[in-house]
Amino acid sequence: AQSVAQPEDQVNVAEGNPLTVKCTYSVSGNPYLFWYVQYPNRGLQFLLKYITGDNLVKGSYGFEAEFNKSQTSFHLKKPSALVSDSALYFCAVRPRESWGGGNKLTFGTGTQLKVEL
Amino acid sequence: DVKVTQSSRYLVKRTGEKVFLECVQDMDHENMFWYRQDPGLGLRLIYFSYDVKMKEKGDIPEGYSVSREKKERFSLILESASTNQTSMYLCASNPSGETQYFGPGTRLLVL
Repeated sequence: AQSVAQPEDQVNVAEGNPLTVKCTYSVSGNPYLFWYVQYPNRGLQFLLKYITGDNLVKGSYGFEAEFNKSQTSFHLKKPSALVSDSALYFCAVRPRESWGGGNKLTFGTGTQLKVEL
Repeated sequence: DVKVTQSSRYLVKRTGEKVFLECVQDMDHENMFWYRQDPGLGLRLIYFSYDVKMKEKGDIPEGYSVSREKKERFSLILESASTNQTSMYLCASNPSGETQYFGPGTRLLVL
C-alpha cells in the first residue's frame, strides 16, 4: 500500500524568505509524485509533478520540488515566499501503472502555509 | 484548459435525504474520481470510474454510490444522508496516466 506523510500541519514564513513544505512517501517501485495547492473554498490546483529524469522539478508560481529517492522525499520549495502563496498544500503519490486503479492518487493530510509581512 | 465543474458549491440537506452531487468534465477524460476532504485527514477517495458504466470502490465507499452513464458526467449519490457525511466533496478527472484535474468542490452540510 502507498502512503504519504506531511509532517507539518502548518508552516509559517516571512515574505521574501525561502520556504520548504515537507513530504515523504512510501510506495513499492518508482512513484509518480505531485504537489497541489488549495486556496480557501476552492478546488485543488496542480502545481508540479515528478515522473522521471531530473530530480529538481519546476512548476507553477515559482515553486519547485526536489525528488530524493534515498530519503523517499519530495519537498516543495520556493526561493522567496509571497503573502499570496498562503494556502493549503497537498503532496500526492501514484504508482506507475497508468490504467484503471493505477490512476489512484494517495494524498497527504496537507500543510497550511502562512506567509506574513 | 481542462474544465471540471460541479453542480453546486454549497448544499444543505437533512438527515435521511437522498443527495446527488454531479460532476462534468469537458476534456473527454476516461477517468473520474470522487474524494471527500476533511480537516486533518486530507483527501480520501470514495469511488472512481475508468470508463462509462465502470466503477470501483475507493478507500471509503460506505454510504455512497456512483453513476456514470455518459463519459463526461460522474454522479455521487448519498442514499440516506447522515451528519457524518458533512464534508467538502471534490471531483477530479484525468486521461489515463496523466495529471488529475479538480473541480471547485461542493461543501455539503447535513443537518
